[in-house]
Amino acid sequence: GNSVTQMEGPVTLSEEAFLTINCTYTATGYPSLFWYVQYPGEGLQLLLKATKADDKGSNKGFEATYRKETTSFHLEKGSVQVSDSAVYFCALSFNTDKLIFGTGTRLQVFP
Amino acid sequence: SAVISQKPSRDICQRGTSLTIQCQVDSQVTMMFWYRQQPGQSLTLIATANQGSEATYESGFVIDKFPISRPNLTFSTLTVSNMSPEDSSIYLCTDEGTSNGYTFGSGTRLTVV
Repeated sequence: GNSVTQMEGPVTLSEEAFLTINCTYTATGYPSLFWYVQYPGEGLQLLLKATKADDKGSNKGFEATYRKETTSFHLEKGSVQVSDSAVYFCALSFNTDKLIFGTGTRLQVFP
Repeated sequence: SAVISQKPSRDICQRGTSLTIQCQVDSQVTMMFWYRQQPGQSLTLIATANQGSEATYESGFVIDKFPISRPNLTFSTLTVSNMSPEDSSIYLCTDEGTSNGYTFGSGTRLTVV
């Protein structure tokens, strides 16, 4: 079946460090891919998305590129801030159907 | 993108009772989805709610425990029935995806004591 695999957390970084959170997927066909973020005590917010191979989603300094060859959608940011501390979820969907989530990766950024 | 109002935002309930969670969308949507997020876990789909038909439940979730209503294209409810402490979770609704992604309600944080 369709699934998403994320690197386990927590990921602990100092402010201004480079961030990578790995995400790979298994799917029959070509899904849309998403990164959602959940700040402490809050709901889910869409961070970025990509709908086809080689698309790059970007928002708030975060980027992820849809790689069909490696079935990956890794999240990157060049310089993290304390305010980026949150849980990040990778997810996929087909058309407007349900989202399938990865397990989530907690990011902790220290000053 | 749509705006979804979800309530209650949190509740503390006695075991054996039931809680109904409401989601109101500011536009018409064909499908709505209900998810559960257990403490420290990812989101698990409970069911898909289409207007005018019975909800479709995922493996491990049953209608008697999580009855869902979808009376029109802008509203849905999820009831958590005969609650036990294991039902303590965040429950979230979302609409069907659009070119802008999926919009989530703010979530209902349920604690069963």
